[in-house]
Amino acid sequence: ETGVTQSPTHLIKTRGQQVTLRCSSQSGHNTVSWYQQALGQGPQFIFQYYREEENGRGNFPPRFSGLQFPNYSSELNVNALELDDSALYLCASSLKGSYNSPLHFGNGTRLTVT
Amino acid sequence: DAKTTQPNSMESNEEEPVHLPCNHSTISGTDYIHWYRQLPSQGPEYVIHGLTSNVNNRMASLAIAEDRKSSTLILHRATLRDAAVYYCIRLNTGNQFYFGTGTSLTVIP
Repeated sequence: ETGVTQSPTHLIKTRGQQVTLRCSSQSGHNTVSWYQQALGQGPQFIFQYYREEENGRGNFPPRFSGLQFPNYSSELNVNALELDDSALYLCASSLKGSYNSPLHFGNGTRLTVT
Repeated sequence: DAKTTQPNSMESNEEEPVHLPCNHSTISGTDYIHWYRQLPSQGPEYVIHGLTSNVNNRMASLAIAEDRKSSTLILHRATLRDAAVYYCIRLNTGNQFYFGTGTSLTVIP
């Protein structure tokens, strides 16, 4: 089975710019979640997508948005980048409907905002 | 809001058992307990989960207190590859995971 893949692995952007990060789900999974992990911290839940709609959101402003496609892959978009957006962005897929379905994570995209 | 409490760090000697504690005193009856670990430069990796009964798998064992207010992840024989940050997570009915800061496990050769 194919695991979760994220692209790109590293990215450098300038404050005020916009960025799009991509994620391919593990085969058979229909739910995608995104997390932001600052250095030395645990992952923070951004939002979750199921059936191409947002299905839960953490404490992040609207400039963080996402998409889920019919093949269950997903994008995370961040507008008006700020220096504090520098972090590791993690994507995780799971199987909704299985209440305690474990998350399968990719290795993340390291975003640096200068 | 992680709603779980773990020690910041722990140490263990190689090939000895490790008991990683977690407090979740406000847990509801339908919340599952999940454990993940994160090795350097990697995404978190699923370890084990449970609801009420103790659970075993090839990686570890999970002991859940009778009142469910705490749990312990047990690594039976620590290896150097087990050095990682271990996260204890309550999974709510929304199927949304909230991570805390976890326990950084150091394994001493």
